[in-house]
Amino acid sequence: DIVMTQSPDSLAVSLGERATINCKSSQSVLYSSNNKNYLAWYQQKPGQAPNLLIYWASTRGSGVPDRFSGSGSGTDFTLTISSLQAEDVAVYYCQQYYSTPRTFGQGTKVEIK
Amino acid sequence: EVQLVESGGGLVQPGGSLRLSCAASGLIFSSYEMNWVRQAPGKGLEWVSYIRSSSSSGSNIDYVDSVKGRFTISRDNAKNSLYLQMHSLRAEDTAVYYCATWGSPGFNYWGQGTLVTVSS
Repeated sequence: DIVMTQSPDSLAVSLGERATINCKSSQSVLYSSNNKNYLAWYQQKPGQAPNLLIYWASTRGSGVPDRFSGSGSGTDFTLTISSLQAEDVAVYYCQQYYSTPRTFGQGTKVEIK
Repeated sequence: EVQLVESGGGLVQPGGSLRLSCAASGLIFSSYEMNWVRQAPGKGLEWVSYIRSSSSSGSNIDYVDSVKGRFTISRDNAKNSLYLQMHSLRAEDTAVYYCATWGSPGFNYWGQGTLVTVSS
């Protein structure tokens, strides 16, 4: 199984400041035949189901604000919130879909400083 | 508007059984791969099982190792419904169980979840 490890486990950021979450996979999730990274990011607000933010490591999902961006390739990925808003308080998860089981990172809790 | 509504959760004793259902609307259900994803209290997300759409090629069903031989996923496209039959339940199966569609790619639509508690 591919193990996904996120860092940090939690972070507190001031409103309007940048938040950066890292995700590392135990093996590459880059599929050489199409040069795509099989990596998604989700946001889960308290008491709610998760919401798909990013897929193919850097493509924003439908309706996702452009302050959210994804980057990285191979085994190392980053989710960046360029200017943190109050409504961004949530737990964020990365997830690989290169192989089954489709594994998630342990989550990163983002709070307001 | 896509809606996924889970039901069937509850309190069950260790070794017991439970059947979860997920009713889908607002989408062409038969064309979607459907999944169960669970979340233990205060913990992260764990993919449990998928069942591919009837038009997909390749393996149509898969499970995470921890539930193989105990859980069975199925779907009824005529009823726009997804099911998870769970047997030999253990304390570690306690979680909120979400049904979710696979698209984009990614889990793009989720239900609100149903809580399964395994305890004596």
